[in-house]
Amino acid sequence: ETGVTQTPRHLVMGMTNKKSLKCEQHLGHNAMYWYKQSAKKPLELMFVYNFKEQTENNSVPSRFSPECPNSSHLFLHLHTLQPEDSALYLCASSGTENQPQHFGDGTRLSIL
Amino acid sequence: QKEVEQNSGPLSVPEGAIASLNCTYSDRGSQSFFWYRQYSGKSPELIMSIYSNGDKEDGRFTAQLNKASQYVSLLIRDSQPSDSATYLCAVFGYLYGGSQGNLIFGKGTKLSVKP
Repeated sequence: ETGVTQTPRHLVMGMTNKKSLKCEQHLGHNAMYWYKQSAKKPLELMFVYNFKEQTENNSVPSRFSPECPNSSHLFLHLHTLQPEDSALYLCASSGTENQPQHFGDGTRLSIL
Repeated sequence: QKEVEQNSGPLSVPEGAIASLNCTYSDRGSQSFFWYRQYSGKSPELIMSIYSNGDKEDGRFTAQLNKASQYVSLLIRDSQPSDSATYLCAVFGYLYGGSQGNLIFGKGTKLSVKP
C-alpha cells in the first residue's frame, strides 16, 4: 500500500454534476490536507484537518465541501464547479502540522 | 501575508555539474523548511527537511539554511538528467498571521539537466 492514495486519478465533469474525491493515508498521521495546483501557480492550501477537526478553510468557495470521517480518510465533495476549478487536486498528510507532508498522486480534474 | 520566493527558472545545468536552487522566506519565526521535487504530471515528493542553521547532506543533495538571512538553498551534486524536475521550497509558517501554522510553498524552480 502506498502511503497516501487518491481516487480517482482523473475526473471529467460538467458544471452541474456532483462528484467526490477520496484520499486515504496509511501512515498513521494525524493531519490531512487538500491542495489545489493550477498551472504556473504555487500550491494553494484549501483545507486542513487535525485529528479529524477542520482547522483551516483558506477562503475556499462553498462548491467545495470537505469531509473527514476519521484520521485516515478525507473526502472533497464537488458540486456546480466552474471551468476555472480545473486543476490538479492533491491530498497530503503529516504526523503533526509542522512535520513534512506526504502527498498522494493527485486527481486531475477537468470541468467542461 | 507570509511568502516564499523562488526563482522560477528554468535553470539549466550540464550533466555532472552542481545545481544550486535558492529560496527566501518572509516569516522570521519559521522553524521548519522542506524541499520537494515534482516531476511533470506527478505529485510533490519530499527530498530534504532542515530545521537548524547550517548544512544537511543526504547523498547528492545538500540543504543549507541561514535563518538570519531568511534563506534556504538546495545543492544537487553530480546532476543527472533524471534530476530534471520542478523543485518546491516549503516553509512552515503562520498564514495571514493566524495561530494555525501550515506549510507555505514557493512557486518552484524548474531544473533542466542536459546530457
